[in-house]
Amino acid sequence: RKEVEQDPGPFNVPEGATVAFNCTYSNSASQSFFWYRQDCRKEPKLLMSVYSSGNEDGRFTAQLNRASQYISLLIRDSKLSDSATYLCVVAFGGGNKLTFGTGTQLKVEL
Amino acid sequence: DGGITQSPKYLFRKEGQNVTLSCEQNLNHDAMYWYRQDPGQGLRLIYYSQIVNDFQKGDIAEGYSVSREKKESFPLTVTSAQKNPTAFYLCASSGRQGRGNQPQHFGDGTRLSIL
Repeated sequence: RKEVEQDPGPFNVPEGATVAFNCTYSNSASQSFFWYRQDCRKEPKLLMSVYSSGNEDGRFTAQLNRASQYISLLIRDSKLSDSATYLCVVAFGGGNKLTFGTGTQLKVEL
Repeated sequence: DGGITQSPKYLFRKEGQNVTLSCEQNLNHDAMYWYRQDPGQGLRLIYYSQIVNDFQKGDIAEGYSVSREKKESFPLTVTSAQKNPTAFYLCASSGRQGRGNQPQHFGDGTRLSIL
């Protein structure tokens, strides 16, 4: 089983739609969680950290479910510019080593 | 502007040749990392360094070497022993760990290809 698993997609949604991605992780001792965004042939960029109580940043909401070992990302009112690959990232312990999922591709269409 | 600079953007390697990828940061970050990304795959950790003059192997260190003589710099050498070096190489850095792991910030990458 992969340490961090994501549905690769692509998710094709119309502009204005709400879309949700899930990510599961295998190590119950995982400590920190992040969502990154990666545009085609570019570097990953931090979208948001994920906190235990859930957190929101504008149109983006992240949730963490430790009991079921998954995190989610909800995007409301999708824009064309949201089209990208979204990477789920988990830190298992000391040394600040991050483990990256393979990403979920989102395509927002007119 | 503070950030992470990788160079060159594109690099071609001849068989049997060692090549060095540059990574410089002016964010005053203690930790630096090297990843490789292959098409359709997640990032895989090659080497990381949490402090000057110290570094550890990641998951796929074979065929690579690094040095960390300065806080700002973490160059990666792809040696001739790395038989499949064609990939997108990403350097990252992060601040000192506090209560939790810190997010990493990336340079814009180097694409390495075989001639």
